[in-house]
This record gives sequence, structure tokens and C-alpha cells, in this order.
Amino acid sequence: DAMVIQNPRYQVTQFGKPVTLSCSQTLNHNVMYWYQQKSSQAPKLLFHYYDKDFNNEADTPDNFQSRRPNTSFCFLDIRSPGLGDAAMYLCATSRDPQGPSYEQYFGPGTRLTVT
Amino acid sequence: RKEVEQDPGPFNVPEGATVAFNCTYSNSASQSFFWYRQDCRKEPKLLMSVYSSGNEDGRFTAQLNRASQYISLLIRDSKLSDSATYLCVVIGSNYKLTFGKGTLLTVNP
Repeated sequence: DAMVIQNPRYQVTQFGKPVTLSCSQTLNHNVMYWYQQKSSQAPKLLFHYYDKDFNNEADTPDNFQSRRPNTSFCFLDIRSPGLGDAAMYLCATSRDPQGPSYEQYFGPGTRLTVT
Repeated sequence: RKEVEQDPGPFNVPEGATVAFNCTYSNSASQSFFWYRQDCRKEPKLLMSVYSSGNEDGRFTAQLNRASQYISLLIRDSKLSDSATYLCVVIGSNYKLTFGKGTLLTVNP
């Protein structure tokens, strides 16, 4: 049974055209994360929500925004995608940010292509 | 110095071989350590946590040396299905996950 679901799996957008990626979870976890992973690179954390508290990484471009309307859903909005934003976008969840329950569960990712 | 550094790889080994991956981290306040596995074009999946006393799960053994800020993963009796990228993951005091760049392993028949 899928626990972290990402839609769509593949997204093609045009340069400068806003795009939204979605993530949902059935785990009822408190924390949801968005990572960007480019080819042959490590996943890079963009931001995360701990419940409703939004935590942005210092080097995340303003072009990237996120929304978490409820516990189950989290969205990644790219306001004006550039060619350099083409990547795999991974959503992950964890029960708590600290302690033994820290394991992060990843969704299958959305591969974004910018044309 | 990068926050998390791994062997650059790639590693190509025959079936049945023993292979070891190393990882170093720069933040001495790091709290938790993991090895994740990522198959080509798939999401990372937790392979095992790394405990101070070292831990073993079947053919996989993970070790942590806090003094040297060093983590290792040993795979014994490699299988074809072990072919993947292995990511070292470190969690700091701010509960941020930091991934290493990963080491690609290919097990050959």
C-alpha cells in the first residue's frame, strides 16, 4: 500500500510557466519534506513542514514555495521554472524530527522536465 | 569540507564479494546516522540505521566511529540485487537530514 504518494510522476512544463507538484501521505506523520535531486547528486532539502510550521532552507530560491493545507497534503509550487530546475522532486515524511522515529519515508518522486 | 562525504565510487564487484563503503561527516554534533539505498530513477529507501555499538542485518553491517566522525557499511556475499547507489545520511542537532552524494555499486554475475 502506497504510504507517500506523489503526483504526477512525470511533469513537463515550459520555461517560466508555474507548476505545482503534489504529495500526500497516509501515515499521519507530523513532518513533510521536499527535496530536489539532480542527476548523480544527493537529494537537497528545499524546505519542510513540522505540522503547520514552515522551515525554509537558507539557500532555497524564492522561486520555490510550499503549502500544507492539512496533515495529509503538501504542495511544491515553482513560480517560474527555469531550465536549471529540471530534476527529480522527492517528498518525504517522518513522524517526528527527532528521536528513534526519525526514519523518513520517501515518495516515488516527480521527475520535472522544463522545455 | 563537505558536511557528508562518501567514497566516490563506482564500485564494480563480482557476485559473492565483500564490499565496504565509507562515509565521513563534519559536524561533531550530529545525532543520528543512516544508510539509504537508491535504485536507478527511484526514491531513496532506508537500508539501516547506524548505532554507536555497530549493528548487523543479515549480510549488512554498519559501524559508527564518533571520535573519527566516520561511518561504514559492509556488504558480505554480494548479490546482483545489491546493485544500487548507497547514500550515507547524517542528522544534525537541527534535525536536518544531510545526504552524501552516494556511492554506486554494481554487482556483476
